Amino acid sequence: DAMVIQNPRYQVTQFGKPVTLSCSQTLNHNVMYWYQQKSSQAPKLLFHYYDKDFNNEADTPDNFQSRRPNTSFCFLDIRSPGLGDAAMYLCATSRDGRGRTNQPQHFGDGTRLSIL
Amino acid sequence: KQEVTQIPAALSVPEGENLVLNCSFTDSAIYNLQWFRQDPGKGLTSLLLIQSSQREQTSGRLNASLDKSSGRSTLYIAASQPGDSATYLCVVRETSGSRLTFGEGTQLTVNP
Repeated sequence: DAMVIQNPRYQVTQFGKPVTLSCSQTLNHNVMYWYQQKSSQAPKLLFHYYDKDFNNEADTPDNFQSRRPNTSFCFLDIRSPGLGDAAMYLCATSRDGRGRTNQPQHFGDGTRLSIL
Repeated sequence: KQEVTQIPAALSVPEGENLVLNCSFTDSAIYNLQWFRQDPGKGLTSLLLIQSSQREQTSGRLNASLDKSSGRSTLYIAASQPGDSATYLCVVRETSGSRLTFGEGTQLTVNP
């Protein structure tokens, strides 16, 4: 059974039209991550939630925002998508003790975003 | 800044071969190292996680080793099968915070 579920699997939006990607988890993990992965590249961390604490990466564009209304759900909002934002977006979870953890991350299957 | 390098970038082998994928990292102050598998258009599946105090982990036909002092890890795949074809990612967790650093991956093709 899928433990990290991302919807939709494929998303097409228009240039500049806001889009929201969703992630849910059944693992009750306290940390949730959003990664952007472009073709043939390693995933790039955009931000993560440690419990309710939001941690933004320094080079994440302002265009990208996130919400975590509860433990199970996390959303990625792209306010005004540009052509360069077309990518696979991966959600991951882990159970972490602050700064000290040996727990693996669990990834969803991703949402592939296309921009017209 | 931690950097993770994987060699080779791509590898094609006939079915049944034993093979080694290499990973190196620049900062030995890591908390753990994880090997993932990624199939085309899919998310990442965790294969093995080695804690910084460990030297190796095994799961089925997979064996991962860690030499923290030299900044190296290897993933050994025994008796490769076409179903092993995927991209293999080496990921390092730093001792501070929850940050992961990913390698660029090795794209493996096992030919029947």
